[in-house]
Amino acid sequence: DGGITQSPKYLFRKEGQNVTLSCEQNLNHDAMYWYRQDPGQGLRLIYYSQIVNDFQKGDIAEGYSVSREKKESFPLTVTSAQKNPTAFYLCASSIPQGNEQFFGPGTRLTVL
Amino acid sequence: GESVGLHLPTLSVQEGDNSIINCAYSNSASDYFIWYKQESGKGPQFIIDIRSNMDKRQGQRVTVLLNKTVKHLSLQIAATQPGDSAVYFCAENIIQAGTALIFGKGTTLSVSS
Repeated sequence: DGGITQSPKYLFRKEGQNVTLSCEQNLNHDAMYWYRQDPGQGLRLIYYSQIVNDFQKGDIAEGYSVSREKKESFPLTVTSAQKNPTAFYLCASSIPQGNEQFFGPGTRLTVL
Repeated sequence: GESVGLHLPTLSVQEGDNSIINCAYSNSASDYFIWYKQESGKGPQFIIDIRSNMDKRQGQRVTVLLNKTVKHLSLQIAATQPGDSAVYFCAENIIQAGTALIFGKGTTLSVSS
């Protein structure tokens, strides 16, 4: 089965701790994305990567970091510098500049 | 800031009715406009896209209309079913910019039986 996976589905962390969200795809897509979604809101772009070993900041990159060491993987670290990290995080992949992004099931992060 | 938005945050229809979800955009440089559907607790799913040089495109039970004069995009769903209940997002793609899709805020469609 080809697809994009995120783990875990639910994540709880204490305030001040860094946490890394996993995103893996086996669709052979070059481009990968991270979005944040708050209740009743749209998708806000955190980071994106068009190719391995390269990534760009999105609209709300502050307090987040990413790496793209492998084509299949694009982990997101939510650092303690992120002031309001509790949210639903969505990862997606696509062909470069593609209209159709394939989304994972999301990770709901709650910071206590 | 955002250049894509939706007119109404919620839309309630009866099963079997046709639904029309609207979206306004401001960037004339967009190459494509896209509609996504997000069911509760899941990631968004691609529905249909339309190139900026077209004014209409039809899919299965869905039609997207693009009016570049007034910078307006709409998604029409024929014979709406309870399974269509979801949040619908419009998005735009500016190919030359080399950036990611720009998503609007979304309209929640509720279909009652």
